[in-house]
Amino acid sequence: GQQVMQIPQYQHVQEGEDFTTYCNSSTTLSNIQWYKQRPGGHPVFLIQLVKSGEVKKQKRLTFQFGEAKKNSSLHITATQTTDVGTYFCAGHKDSNYQLIWGAGTKLIIKP
Amino acid sequence: DSGVTQTPKHLITATGQRVTLRCSPRSGDLSVYWYQQSLDQGLQFLIHYYNGEERAKGNILERFSAQQFPDLHSELNLSSLELGDSALYFCASTLGGASYNEQFFGPGTRLTVL
Repeated sequence: GQQVMQIPQYQHVQEGEDFTTYCNSSTTLSNIQWYKQRPGGHPVFLIQLVKSGEVKKQKRLTFQFGEAKKNSSLHITATQTTDVGTYFCAGHKDSNYQLIWGAGTKLIIKP
Repeated sequence: DSGVTQTPKHLITATGQRVTLRCSPRSGDLSVYWYQQSLDQGLQFLIHYYNGEERAKGNILERFSAQQFPDLHSELNLSSLELGDSALYFCASTLGGASYNEQFFGPGTRLTVL
């Protein structure tokens, strides 16, 4: 079936360390969206990538869309406590306008 | 505040019962999507309505049904409830019929089935 695989499921980091989550699809995606869900909250849209090889930055967050449009990553530099939450990717397959969601990566800051 | 409202915020009920969850999309949005999120799990897409018509179905059980009314609000009906139906139910809205634009999520309804 249609799937977008997202890894890792959890990542524990010390505050100040970097964090990366990856999404992979077996087929080409027409675009990919990233969302953040804070603990106890609802998903909030972060960004959408459309072009092959696209890189977008939002302060300490860097989003990439692979050249083949089959994978994407979100990298956070120097994590802060405000970054805690679950990050979801969601992509459209070329032939299907429905969003296919990744399972999410939970960012946990070690005490 | 996303502009999407959901009621009720919390719902506690017993197995075998039926409940209705309500969602009002952002002003001007024509599409409503329903998702189920079990504890610490991802988002499971249930169903999508656009301007009153069902557009797509995901992993929605036969015990569940939904509709979108002329005023564009949507209701998700869950019947013959089981313990495993306990979850957060989110709705999201977008302007158009395809979810190429960002989805705006409501605060969710937390359903507990005892």
